[in-house]
Amino acid sequence: KQEVTQIPAALSVPEGENLVLNCSFTDSAIYNLQWFRQDPGKGLTSLLLIQSSQREQTSGRLNASLDKSSGRSTLYIAASQPGDSATYLCAVRQESAGNQFYFGTGTSLTVIP
Amino acid sequence: DAGVIQSPRHEVTEMGQEVTLRCKPISGHNSLFWYRQTMMRGLELLIYFNNNVPIDDSGMPEDRFSAKMPNASFSTLKIQPSEPRDSAVYFCASSRFPGQPQHFGDGTRLSIL
Repeated sequence: KQEVTQIPAALSVPEGENLVLNCSFTDSAIYNLQWFRQDPGKGLTSLLLIQSSQREQTSGRLNASLDKSSGRSTLYIAASQPGDSATYLCAVRQESAGNQFYFGTGTSLTVIP
Repeated sequence: DAGVIQSPRHEVTEMGQEVTLRCKPISGHNSLFWYRQTMMRGLELLIYFNNNVPIDDSGMPEDRFSAKMPNASFSTLKIQPSEPRDSAVYFCASSRFPGQPQHFGDGTRLSIL
């Protein structure tokens, strides 16, 4: 069974710092990988989706990379802002019958003003 | 555009009662997903539909759980009878197709006493 791990579980940085969140998965047979943010009491907001054939995706200050063969993805946030404070989750869609989705447990990010 | 709409936002009921959670996906989205989120297990996919047909229900915990999608604009997740261990936040999400970004509702916070 696919296992998705996110390290660190929590991260606190001063405003303006660049930071990297990590996601690793045990089964490289994935269809795509998606990064989400979740604010307290809210659902998930999709940030970036990377297809298995892609290496990276960018949106504004966010850049997500995918190394499928090594089972790793990173989410890079440039010039962090207090509004970036949230829990960030990665999810992989399995390339198998049923195309199951597996989520990591998330990284809780706090950006200190 | 209206996002994914879930109701109710909060539900508190006694064990043994039937619970029905409702979801309206984004218009034009062909895939619908039900998730459960707890502190212990994180976010788990329960079931997903494509074009109103259940594709994978392997995440449904037991026979007390059932989900239906009678048409493209409505889905229900039912728990009967409910138990305290079913307490969680239940999310519904939709996407245009299974491989496209998922859009989440704000969730239903369910407490079974």
